[in-house]
Amino acid sequence: EADIYQTPRYLVIGTGKKITLECSQTMGHDKMYWYQQDPGMELHLIHYSYGVNSTEKGDLSSESTVSRIRTEHFPLTLESARPSHTSQYLCASSEWVVRTSGGGKADTQYFGPGTRLTVL
Amino acid sequence: GEDVEQSLFLSVREGDSSVINCTYTDSSSTYLYWYKQEPGAGLQLLTYIFSNMDMKQDQRLTVLLNKKDKHLSLRIADTQTGDSAIYFCAEKKDTGRRALTFGSGTRLQVQP
Repeated sequence: EADIYQTPRYLVIGTGKKITLECSQTMGHDKMYWYQQDPGMELHLIHYSYGVNSTEKGDLSSESTVSRIRTEHFPLTLESARPSHTSQYLCASSEWVVRTSGGGKADTQYFGPGTRLTVL
Repeated sequence: GEDVEQSLFLSVREGDSSVINCTYTDSSSTYLYWYKQEPGAGLQLLTYIFSNMDMKQDQRLTVLLNKKDKHLSLRIADTQTGDSAIYFCAEKKDTGRRALTFGSGTRLQVQP
């Protein structure tokens, strides 16, 4: 089972502030992801990374940015927080799971506990 | 339509079996997952199934896949109050290097 950590768990901040949500994993996974989730709703991919110095935008447009300078660390930054950014942010990392018979691989994602962000 | 669809809510009594259903539209989906999310928490991987499998069983969990109908189900035997959570179905498409596509989640309520 993967160990993946997010800090802070909860953040309440005023409009216009710069914030960084931290995500770290200790399993050496190359792939990492950020999802945005409104309460009780589906997850939307906002950023992903396939390794150091590799980042791409996801399906949902986001004003946030990410960086991947180290394998274990994938922080997300909002330069100027707005109330529309209020949401839960989930970080995930993944490994290949090799089937024991018949070949094939599964890209199984493990999630951190999430950061619930509220922008006033 | 949406890529992955789930019913929103399911209520069962403790000790009964729960069946959570999911439909997907992309025939190139190669891997399908079930995740559990408890209130205020991240997602916990429950199980996954390869698209050329029909069934996978893991303790109280049974996953059934009907690839022809693009229908996936999760059966929880002997449902407990601790099983109350939101359950997300997700697919991994075999096109490009993309992340998972999630359904909107099914809220399972277990009544004592």
